[in-house]
Amino acid sequence: KQEVTQIPAALSVPEGENLVLNCSFTDSAIYNLQWFRQDPGKGLTSLLLIQSSQREQTSGRLNASLDKSSGRSTLYIAASQPGDSATYLCAVNYGGSQGNLIFGKGTKLSVKP
Amino acid sequence: DAGITQSPRYKITETGRQVTLMCHQTWSHSYMFWYRQDLGHGLRLIYYSAAADITDKGEVPDGYVVSRSKTENFPLTLESATRSQTSVYFCASSPSASYNEQFFGPGTRLTVL
Repeated sequence: KQEVTQIPAALSVPEGENLVLNCSFTDSAIYNLQWFRQDPGKGLTSLLLIQSSQREQTSGRLNASLDKSSGRSTLYIAASQPGDSATYLCAVNYGGSQGNLIFGKGTKLSVKP
Repeated sequence: DAGITQSPRYKITETGRQVTLMCHQTWSHSYMFWYRQDLGHGLRLIYYSAAADITDKGEVPDGYVVSRSKTENFPLTLESATRSQTSVYFCASSPSASYNEQFFGPGTRLTVL
C-alpha cells in the first residue's frame, strides 16, 4: 500500500530558527510531490510542487528537496516567523488515470515570538 | 473571481437527509477531485473526474454520488447522510492527472446529527 508519513507530528520552535519538516513515502515510483500549508479551519494552500525529475524547488524562504531513491522529501523553512505557524502537509502523486494525491497526516508547526 | 469555490461553507443536517455540496472552478481544468479530511485519517479521495461526463471512484466512495455535466462544476451528493460522513470536504482541480499542481477550495464543514 502506498503510504506517506510525516515526522514529527508537531514541532515548536522559537522565531528566527531554521527548520526542516520531513516526509517519507513507501513507493518511490512517484510523478511529483506537493507541499501544502493549512491554517486552522481553512483550506489547503499549495506551497511547492516537485516533479519526479527534480531534486529541489525554492520559493522565498521555502526550499523543498526530493530524493526518490530513498523515498524522502524535506521542506526547509528559513528564518521562521510566527506567521509560519500552520499545519504542513506533504502529498504524493503516483500518476495514472486517477491522479489523486496520497497525503501524509501533516506536521503542526508553532513558531513562538 | 478566478479560482475554486465551494458552497456551502458550513452545513448541519440530519441522518437520512440528502445533501449536495457544490464545487465550481474558473480555470477550465480537466481534472476535479473530492477529498474528505478526518482526524486520524488525513485527506482521502472520494471521487474524481477526468473531464465532463467522466467520473470514477476513489478510496472512500460509499454513500456518495457525483456528476459533472459541465467542466467547471463538480457537485458531491450524500444520498442519505450518516454520522460517519461528518467531515470536512475539499474540492480540488488540476489541468492534468499527474504533472500539475492540484488547487484546493476552502472546504465545506459538514455535520450530520
